[in-house]
Amino acid sequence: AQSVSQHNHHVILSEAASLELGCNYSYGGTVNLFWYVQYPGQHLQLLLKYFSGDPLVKGIKGFEAEFIKSKFSFNLRKPSVQWSDTAEYFCAVILPVGGKFQFGAGTQVVVTP
Amino acid sequence: ETGVTQSPTHLIKTRGQQVTLRCSSQSGHNTVSWYQQALGQGPQFIFQYYREEENGRGNFPPRFSGLQFPNYSSELNVNALELDDSALYLCASSSTGTSGTYEQYFGPGTRLTVT
Repeated sequence: AQSVSQHNHHVILSEAASLELGCNYSYGGTVNLFWYVQYPGQHLQLLLKYFSGDPLVKGIKGFEAEFIKSKFSFNLRKPSVQWSDTAEYFCAVILPVGGKFQFGAGTQVVVTP
Repeated sequence: ETGVTQSPTHLIKTRGQQVTLRCSSQSGHNTVSWYQQALGQGPQFIFQYYREEENGRGNFPPRFSGLQFPNYSSELNVNALELDDSALYLCASSSTGTSGTYEQYFGPGTRLTVT
């Protein structure tokens, strides 16, 4: 079945630590890729997106993600996290034809002071 | 501020009843998608509306139906509510052009509880 997989359900780390969240998808062909973040009590917000071009994309709040086509991956990274990065992070894929938007199950990230 | 609004914020219904949830899309967007997010899970795609027609559907039964209006606002209707329908229902708006559908902007959601 076509899917989006996020490797970790929960991640706990200290402030200033580096963060990497894995995302793999199983769709063939062209896909558009996204990372969304949901801060406690807030709605889903777009962190960054990849449509084409440079596979290393920069998003808001110091986040970046790398698209590796051969590995069907789109991993999210941040070199140094802050307490305010505590949130749930969702990887998502949209198929250009049909507009279906598929989310991963999410990764809950807790950053301790 | 995404500009996508949803109503109501919270709703409690009894099993077997019907419910209508509403969504106003962000200005300039012509496409609305609906998602169900159960506790601890990622949003599950229900369906998408473009130009007032259903344009893609996830694995949800026919008792989940929708409408899109000429102003691009939308409704999600669920008939014969079941306990498992309890979830956060998210609406997202986006633009669809010749290259496909672009990133989606989400509303705050409607929390539905079925008792």
